[in-house]
Amino acid sequence: NAGVTQTPKFRVLKTGQSMTLLCAQDMNHEYMYWYRQDPGMGLRLIHYSVGEGTTAKGEVPDGYNVSRLKKQNFLLGLESAAPSQTSVYFCASSYIQQALYNEQFFGPGTRLTVL
Amino acid sequence: GQQVMQIPQYQHVQEGEDFTTYCNSSTTLSNIQWYKQRPGGHPVFLIQLVKSGEVKKQKRLTFQFGEAKKNSSLHITATQTTDVGTYFCARAGSARQLTFGSGTQLTVLP
Repeated sequence: NAGVTQTPKFRVLKTGQSMTLLCAQDMNHEYMYWYRQDPGMGLRLIHYSVGEGTTAKGEVPDGYNVSRLKKQNFLLGLESAAPSQTSVYFCASSYIQQALYNEQFFGPGTRLTVL
Repeated sequence: GQQVMQIPQYQHVQEGEDFTTYCNSSTTLSNIQWYKQRPGGHPVFLIQLVKSGEVKKQKRLTFQFGEAKKNSSLHITATQTTDVGTYFCARAGSARQLTFGSGTQLTVLP
C-alpha cells in the first residue's frame, strides 16, 4: 500500500495563478484533511471531509476550495494564489472507529511558493 | 478555537540527556495525540492518551495525561541523535479533526 500520496511535491506560482493539489489514499479511510504548516506555527487545518461528497471548513479556509468526489481523493484548490499562501501543505486521512479518536496518516507534503 | 499551548518551542540537549515537552489546554481535553516530524518530513503518529492520569511508554519515550485532562507531557530518556525532530501534541475535535500545538523542536548534539 502506498498510504497517502500527494502531487505535486513542489510548485512555484505567480500571484494570481491557480492550481490544484491532489491527495490520494489507498487505505479506504473515510476522513481526509488538508493542513498547512508555516514555520513556528505548527499545522493548521484548512478543510476536511468526513466522507465522499462532503467537505467542511477548518481553521484557515479563506482562499482555498476543496472537493471529495471520490472516497480515495481529496483535492485542494487555490483559485488566485497569494504570497501569504506560501507554505507546506499536508494531506492526512483517518479511519472511523466508534468512540475513539484515531490517528491520522499524513502524506509527504507539497511545498508551494507564491511569488 | 480551542488552543493547545506547547512548551518549550526549542530544546537543545547533549546526546544522552533527557528531554521533556509539555502541552497545556485551558479546557478539558477528550484526548491528546502526539506526533513526531523529522526535518523535511511529515508528521508521524506516536501515541494517543484518553484517560485521566494515563501513562504510556514506548521504549525510551514516556507519555503522560494529567489528572484533570488539561495537560500532557512527553519525556525522552537518554536522547539519541535519532530523536531529532519536532514533537507535536494535538487534540481531536468532534469530526476527528486535529488542533495542533506549535511543536517543540528537539536538537540532539553528539
